[in-house]
Amino acid sequence: EAAVTQSPRSKVAVTGGKVTLSCHQTNNHDYMYWYRQDTGHGLRLIHYSYVADSTEKGDIPDGYKASRPSQENFSLILELASLSQTAVYFCASSSGTGTLEVFFGKGTRLTVV
Amino acid sequence: GDSVTQTEGLVTLTEGLPVMLNCTYQTIYSNPFLFWYVQHLNESPRLLLKSFTDNKRTEHQGFHATLHKSSSSFHLQKSSAQLSDSALYYCALRTGNYKYVFGAGTRLKVIA
Repeated sequence: EAAVTQSPRSKVAVTGGKVTLSCHQTNNHDYMYWYRQDTGHGLRLIHYSYVADSTEKGDIPDGYKASRPSQENFSLILELASLSQTAVYFCASSSGTGTLEVFFGKGTRLTVV
Repeated sequence: GDSVTQTEGLVTLTEGLPVMLNCTYQTIYSNPFLFWYVQHLNESPRLLLKSFTDNKRTEHQGFHATLHKSSSSFHLQKSSAQLSDSALYYCALRTGNYKYVFGAGTRLKVIA
C-alpha cells in the first residue's frame, strides 16, 4: 500500500502569516500533487510536480507556492495566508505508469483566522 | 481546458434502490483515463474503479461504470444501495500531461 504522509494534520494560522504544509511519500512515485478540498468545489489542483526541483501550476495556483526538493518531499507554501485559504489540503502521489492510481495523504485541515 | 462535471451535489436513496451517479468530461486528449474515487467521512479519497477502454464495463466492490467516449461519460452505478455506501464520490480525469482533474463530487446518502 502506497504511503503519503502529511504534516501537520491540522493548523491554525493568522491572516498574513506564512504557512508551510509538508508531504512525504515512500512509494518512489514521480508525480506529486497538492489539492484543496472545499464543499461544493470538490478537489482542486493547486500545484503538481513530476520531477525533483521542478513544479507546475495547477488550476488554482494563486496565493500558493510549491517546492519539490527531492522525489520524496513536496511542500505547499502560503506566503501570506488569507481567510479564503481555509480548507482541507490533500497531498497525493502517482507513479505515472502501471495502475495510474493516485494515492492520497490523510489531509491537513488549515484554518486561517 | 480539461474538466469533469458531476451534476448532482447530493443524492439521497433508500437502501436497496439502484444507484446512478453521473459524470461527464471534456478533454482534448484522445485517450482519456477516467476514475471514480470514494471518500468516507473523515477519510481521504481512495480509488474505487478506473477505465481507459471505450465501451468496456469495469466493476469493483459492487459498483460498475462504462466509459463512453461518444458521449464523454463515465457514470457510476450499483444495483442495490447499502447504508455503508454513504460517502462522497468523485469522478476524475487524467489528462495528457499527468494532471488529475476532479469533479465537484456527489454526496451519496443512503437511508434505511
